[in-house]
Amino acid sequence: AQRVTQPEKLLSVFKGAPVELKCNYSYSGSPELFWYVQYSRQRLQLLLRHISRESIKGFTADLNKGETSFHLKKPFAQEEDSAMYYCALTGGGADGLTFGKGTHLIIQP
Amino acid sequence: KAGVTQTPRYLIKTRGQQVTLSCSPISGHRSVSWYQQTPGQGLQFLFEYFSETQRNKGNFPGRFSGRQFSNSRSEMNVSTLELGDSALYLCASSSDSNEKLFFGSGTQLSVL
Repeated sequence: AQRVTQPEKLLSVFKGAPVELKCNYSYSGSPELFWYVQYSRQRLQLLLRHISRESIKGFTADLNKGETSFHLKKPFAQEEDSAMYYCALTGGGADGLTFGKGTHLIIQP
Repeated sequence: KAGVTQTPRYLIKTRGQQVTLSCSPISGHRSVSWYQQTPGQGLQFLFEYFSETQRNKGNFPGRFSGRQFSNSRSEMNVSTLELGDSALYLCASSSDSNEKLFFGSGTQLSVL
């Protein structure tokens, strides 16, 4: 069965410090990986997807198939990065997304 | 473009009742998927509809059902409500499966 694990429920870092939100997955095949974010009082929205290989709001994520990980990184955290972050995967086709339980990121001033 | 609209925003029901939730996708989107969000289980996939056809279903009992209309609007129905069905139900639309999902604000269902 496919599974997404985000080991940290809460992550608190100071503004300007590097951020890494961990995501590990279990899937027998080649999944597509995503990071979704939910800012306070806003809707859940896509942050980035691994096939796009892009940097959004300074965040990047590299798919490591050997370690089955898709960690989200940002070199210098900003206060507006405070939010809930969800890692998700899909096997493709009409499969729905399997989400991790989320990590609440708090950026302290 | 208007975003994904879910109605109602809040619902209170009692055990044994049934409930219908509605979702209007972004104009032009033909795929609508539903997710249940609870503090204990997180976000879980319910089902996905594309052009009025259910293409995939998550691991939920048959009490959870849905449909999609020709204008891509979707409804989900939960019959014989149980206390454990209390959750935030999120709808998401996209132009096709696995494309960027656009989420609604959700319907908060409380079963008493």
